[in-house]
Amino acid sequence: SQTIHQWPATLVQPVGSPLSLECTVEGTSNPNLYWYRQAAGRGLQLLFYSVGIGQISSEVPQNLSASRPQDRQFILSSKKLLLSDSGFYLCAWRFVGSGANVLTFGAGSRLTVL
Amino acid sequence: DAKTTQPNSMESNEEEPVHLPCNHSTISGTDYIHWYRQLPSQGPEYVIHGLTSNVNNRMASLAIAEDRKSSTLILHRATLRDAAVYYCILRPTYSGNTPLVFGKGTRLSVIA
Repeated sequence: SQTIHQWPATLVQPVGSPLSLECTVEGTSNPNLYWYRQAAGRGLQLLFYSVGIGQISSEVPQNLSASRPQDRQFILSSKKLLLSDSGFYLCAWRFVGSGANVLTFGAGSRLTVL
Repeated sequence: DAKTTQPNSMESNEEEPVHLPCNHSTISGTDYIHWYRQLPSQGPEYVIHGLTSNVNNRMASLAIAEDRKSSTLILHRATLRDAAVYYCILRPTYSGNTPLVFGKGTRLSVIA
């Protein structure tokens, strides 16, 4: 069966510090991968998605970047965090070829920038 | 993605059925209707989807209007664990790699 892992689960970072959030998927090949963010009390905002290694599409201009160095690994990064980067970051995957387009989400990484 | 309209919030008593409405008057003939829910402090999870016919699974039922301009997610017996934000999303059948876009959803409160 397929599983998705995100880490760290929670982190507190000072403004101006770097960020690296990791997401890995097991049990599937060539998935589509997604990063979403949910600010406190707000809806889900799509940040990045990837259809293959090294292929990244950015939905919102911001202080963040994403990379996909391996087929089942998706990394969200920042060189210098802003207060507004605080939020709940969710990685998701979708099996390519599935007509239902069902997304499976990880447990999330909660980031607090102070 | 075509637009959907949902009430901001709803309330239900425990053990009673819940009908969560979704309007999608601009739906096209190839759009699937998807429902996800997000429990507190968790990522969204898939609930159910359908195209034209009503659908049932272990989590819920999906009732789709004959003209497909609206649908209703039915929880047959609400429990406290069903308290969540429920999202109704339209997805074209042949959407390629286009990501799902989540709206604000309906926040369901369940009262013991």
